[in-house]
Amino acid sequence: GAVVSQHPSWVICKSGTSVKIECRSLDFQATTMFWYRQFPKQSLMLMATSNEGSKATYEQGVEKDKFLINHASLTLSTLTVTSAHPEDSSFYICSAPRWSGSLHEQYFGPGTRLTVT
Amino acid sequence: AQKITQTQPGMFVQEKEAVTLDCTYDTSDQSYGLFWYKQPSSGEMIFLIYQGSYDEQNATEGRYSLNFQKARKSANLVISASQLGDSAMYFCAMREGGETSGSRLTFGEGTQLTVNP
Repeated sequence: GAVVSQHPSWVICKSGTSVKIECRSLDFQATTMFWYRQFPKQSLMLMATSNEGSKATYEQGVEKDKFLINHASLTLSTLTVTSAHPEDSSFYICSAPRWSGSLHEQYFGPGTRLTVT
Repeated sequence: AQKITQTQPGMFVQEKEAVTLDCTYDTSDQSYGLFWYKQPSSGEMIFLIYQGSYDEQNATEGRYSLNFQKARKSANLVISASQLGDSAMYFCAMREGGETSGSRLTFGEGTQLTVNP
């Protein structure tokens, strides 16, 4: 079964509004989670690393004031797209590393498809 | 900086035949991990196979095998006995650090595989 969930799976919002996306690790604790963005027919691009109890680390070119990340607990990270615009329409995927006993496996959430009208 | 290259934007294979998806990488790290993921049209990322940089044997998982050539910095995915359900986007990805590292993944551009009946 799924070990990382995302909510919502899809969302449509109007330009200028904010949207919150949740990423949850279901049966393990994740001190770190990763947020990726994927445009159609393109690869996954890392946006930021979410760290439990501390500030997120953003990749170059990603506006931290626009993409707010909060990792308030060991099982939940949230990504808030503030003042969304049509160019923010994309597929947002989170992942969390989970120790399997021999390596850290990366578990991905099912993704959230954001459409900004 | 890490870099993953997938030079085949699209590949076609006949059902029941084998297919090789290419992946080359560049890193200065001695310890790293290589992953292959399948992404169907639903968007979920499905883990297929993993190869650690110190693993001497090529990884295998059912119909999937990884042809790891460290000196050439290549990690090609071989799918044997292709099935119609294998049609999807395939991503090669690399993790910085060894197995105990839960760090983020860098993805290649992806290869769209189409299996023909």
